[in-house]
Amino acid sequence: NAGVTQTPKFQVLKTGQSMTLQCAQDMNHEYMSWYRQDPGMGLRLIHYSVGAGITDQGEVPNGYNVSRSTTEDFPLRLLSAAPSQTSVYFCASSYSGSSTDTQYFGPGTRLTVL
Amino acid sequence: AQTVTQSQPEMSVQEAETVTLSCTYDTSESDYYLFWYKQPPSRQMILVIRQEAYKQQNATENRFSVNFQKAAKSFSLKISDSQLGDAAMYFCAYSLNDYKLSFGAGTTVTVRA
Repeated sequence: NAGVTQTPKFQVLKTGQSMTLQCAQDMNHEYMSWYRQDPGMGLRLIHYSVGAGITDQGEVPNGYNVSRSTTEDFPLRLLSAAPSQTSVYFCASSYSGSSTDTQYFGPGTRLTVL
Repeated sequence: AQTVTQSQPEMSVQEAETVTLSCTYDTSESDYYLFWYKQPPSRQMILVIRQEAYKQQNATENRFSVNFQKAAKSFSLKISDSQLGDAAMYFCAYSLNDYKLSFGAGTTVTVRA
């Protein structure tokens, strides 16, 4: 198993550009989520999904869109990037979303918006 | 989001010694989960230990143990026999039984050889 994979590892955007951060898992996990990590603030939940076709907002959803058309993939879209979205983004997955499961994190994507 | 506070931005420990990281949280729930995650320079998030609030017994994983004080809303992590590989950022996190994690700001642990 490859676990949770994220692409790209690094990305530089200009303000107003759009892009999609990719996240995939090969463990047949129903629950997937996106976090952002900023200095001095820990990780914050952006969006999450409890299964294909079902998504919901986390703590900081503004400026981000998600969809879940398959169990394996959970892309995060930035429609119009802003400097405030400069951050490290982590995708995570677990079997059911119960906190008794093991949650696996991807390696992260470092995004810089100029 | 629930508030998780880590009051120690940095901690330093001598190799083979013990270090304790502090974490407090705010919640009105009675059933919840607490976690410590390790983030080494590779950036990978690694689960160190998990505590279920309804279990009074403190969780232990090898050299890592917690002191869970539910009434005080305190959840400290003790690293015994510190090793160079323990050097990392450590995050305390809280969730209900839904894995929507609320993280603290983190504590950077440095291990001196």
